[in-house]
Amino acid sequence: DGGITQSPKYLFRKEGQNVTLSCEQNLNHDAMYWYRQDPGQGLRLIYYSQIVNDFQKGDIAEGYSVSREKKESFPLTVTSAQKNPTAFYLCASSIVSVSSYNEQFFGPGTRLTVL
Amino acid sequence: ILNVEQSPQSLHVQEGDSTNFTCSFPSSNFYALHWYRWETAKSPEALFVMTLNGDEKKKGRISATLNTKEGYSYLYIKGSQPEDSATYLCALSTGGGNKLTFGTGTQLKVEL
Repeated sequence: DGGITQSPKYLFRKEGQNVTLSCEQNLNHDAMYWYRQDPGQGLRLIYYSQIVNDFQKGDIAEGYSVSREKKESFPLTVTSAQKNPTAFYLCASSIVSVSSYNEQFFGPGTRLTVL
Repeated sequence: ILNVEQSPQSLHVQEGDSTNFTCSFPSSNFYALHWYRWETAKSPEALFVMTLNGDEKKKGRISATLNTKEGYSYLYIKGSQPEDSATYLCALSTGGGNKLTFGTGTQLKVEL
């Protein structure tokens, strides 16, 4: 089945620890995205990547880092510098085209709780 | 940061009712408007991508309209069914790398 996988579904970490969230896709999409959801807020873009070895900051990149070494994978590291890391994190992917309004396909999400 | 607003925040309807909700966005930044449906314990799924003023899209009992001049889109559900219960998200694309700015969503619950 083609799709996006995120693991784990639930993640608990102690304050001050870095944690890496996994996102893998087998849709052969060039673009990948990380969003964060908090109660009462819309999905907010953390980072996105349109091609391997390149990525851009989204609206709330502070305290996060990403890498894009392979087309299929876009891991997100939540560093200790992120002030409010507890949230639900969604990964998405899309094709890249001239039209630039392609639908995004989402993974199931990871709920991170920092204790 | 763009402001994409959705109303109402939540909605409870009876099975068979028709309903609609609104997405408002700054018209000066428009490139495309997306609607997604997000069912509980599942991933958000795309419903429509709309780009032209006056555009109307339909998928089964769900349809959407777009007014880019005044900056709004309506999503309509005709004859709501319990399986329509979900959060409906709209998202604005302003071009530039397919970045999306999402609204906070309208949570719809359809009761028997």
